[in-house]
Amino acid sequence: GDSVTQMEGPVTLSEEAFLTINCTYTATGYPSLFWYVQYPGEGLQLLLKATKADDKGSNKGFEATYRKETTSFHLEKGSVQVSDSAVYFCALSIINDMRFGAGTRLTVKP
Amino acid sequence: NAGVTQTPKFRILKIGQSMTLQCTQDMNHNYMYWYRQDPGMGLKLIYYSVGAGITDKGEVPNGYNVSRSTTEDFPLRLELAAPSQTSVYFCASSDGQHGTDTQYFGPGTRLTVL
Repeated sequence: GDSVTQMEGPVTLSEEAFLTINCTYTATGYPSLFWYVQYPGEGLQLLLKATKADDKGSNKGFEATYRKETTSFHLEKGSVQVSDSAVYFCALSIINDMRFGAGTRLTVKP
Repeated sequence: NAGVTQTPKFRILKIGQSMTLQCTQDMNHNYMYWYRQDPGMGLKLIYYSVGAGITDKGEVPNGYNVSRSTTEDFPLRLELAAPSQTSVYFCASSDGQHGTDTQYFGPGTRLTVL
């Protein structure tokens, strides 16, 4: 079935470091791809999304490109801040079905 | 505009008890969803609704029931609580089709069954 695999955490970085969180997917059709972020004590919030191959989603300095050839949607940010500390979820969606990865906890230290 | 609200925030149940998790959205969204999040795992879809009066099963519906009598409300019912239902439950809503539209999440309900 459809599924998402993302790199295990936790990930600990120093402020201003480069961030990559890997995400790969398996799907029978043509899914939309998402990154959601969960701050402590809160629900998930959409960070960015891409609906077709080669689309790039971006928001708040984060970027991810929908790569059909490698079935990937890796999340990147050039310079992380302490305020980026959160759990990041990769997800895919095909009509009426949404699948989430297990989440990657990011801690950014000053 | 409160978005998606859930009550209660925390609850402890004994095995065999029942309870209803409440979810309300004020964005006039047609689509609503219930997920559970187990430790170290991603979210799994329990039930969803595409509009008032219409509900359908997700990936893990066993042990749960839902109803959708209004656009705003989508309660989740646990009839006979079991330890396997210990989890964090999230309600979400979206304006359009599940596939591409942004989902807006509530803050979650942390449920423990002892």
